[in-house]
Order: sequence, then structure tokens, then C-alpha cells
Amino acid sequence: IAGITQAPTSQILAAGRRMTLRCTQDMRHNAMYWYRQDLGLGLRLIHYSNTAGTTGKGEVPDGYSVSRANTDDFPLTLASAVPSQTSVYFCASSDSYTGELFFGEGSRLTVL
Amino acid sequence: GQNIDQPTEMTATEGAIVQINCTYQTSGFNGLFWYQQHAGEAPTFLSYNVLDGLEEKGRFSSFLSRSKGYSYLLLKELQMKDSASYLCAVREGDYKLSFGAGTTVTVRA
Repeated sequence: IAGITQAPTSQILAAGRRMTLRCTQDMRHNAMYWYRQDLGLGLRLIHYSNTAGTTGKGEVPDGYSVSRANTDDFPLTLASAVPSQTSVYFCASSDSYTGELFFGEGSRLTVL
Repeated sequence: GQNIDQPTEMTATEGAIVQINCTYQTSGFNGLFWYQQHAGEAPTFLSYNVLDGLEEKGRFSSFLSRSKGYSYLLLKELQMKDSASYLCAVREGDYKLSFGAGTTVTVRA
């Protein structure tokens, strides 16, 4: 049982570099999300996608981009990483009926 | 947008009861969730309320009052393994789920 798979689990990155966090789900959920979690701030929505081919901006979208070419994959790209993007990133998908979120295990990103 | 408030920390004794309150302001309310998150792990689903009232699930119960913009999570018969962060989250519309900053509960022997 996979659910949601994120990669990499952890990454140290130099400022200015491009980075893509990968997310794949096998539950055939239409909606997918990217959150970042920082101490004291909780989970903040970066981008979301209601269905394949559509994306939307969340609370903190600046510096990030997403794509949703198919139902299963929802990669998050940092075009030019900055230290303030140091965080734990969670990918999630949701059940259409209840809206319950299922989370991946997270990707810990450190930008130096 | 949403404004979701919950206490930062709570401490309780093993076997006791703890109530975590959550207040919110939102347009287009479409459900309230509680998630549990142990340190270094992903959040996991605890409960879901969309109508007013109490939902009970074993040792955990969740209450919602939509008119007051208020919910609480009640943890009974606390165990050491219940030490975790508890996240209140509000769904706005069909898809967007916004989270409070979380309440860290510490259970002491």
C-alpha cells in the first residue's frame, strides 16, 4: 500500500539552484496539494490542483510552481531556491466526498 | 481567507481528559477536520465534522458549532502515545483546506 510517495526525503540545496520535489499518488484522487510546514506557523498551502490539467495558488505561492499533467503526479518546482524556502514540504491528496487529506511522508529541504 | 486559532501548548496527566479548542472565521465553510501529527511524521486524520454536534470515535470526540465558528477535540483517558500536535483544519468550498498552527499536547506520567 503506497498511498502518496514523495521524493526526495531530504535535500540540502545551494541558494539559486533549481529543485523539483516529486509527488505521486495511487489512490486516483482528483485533488492534490502542496503544503509547507514551519515551526510556529503550521501547515500553509502553496499550490493545489482540483483535477488533472488545472492548478491554483494557495496562501504562499511565490517562488514555487506546479504542474498536473495527469491524475497521479503533482511535482513542485523551486525555480531559484532561497534560504526562506527551508522547510518541510508535504504533498497531499483528498477524497472527493469528505475532503479528507492523505499526506505523504514529507520532504525536508534545506537551502543554504 | 481564513483565520484559525488554537492554543499553542497543553499539558495533561496520563489518564486525564484534555480539550483542545479551535475557533475560525471563514466564508464558504464546508467542514472541519482534526489531524494528529507526531514529531517528524506526517499528519494523520482523526475526525471530521460538517454538521453541528458531537462526533465520537473511541477515546477521541470532536464537537462543532457552525454559528459560533467553534470546534473542540476531546481526548479522554490520555496515554503517553497521545503526546503529539493536534491540527484544526477548515475546508472552504470543495477543495481548499486551511490549517491552524497546531496545539502541542504533552502527556506526563
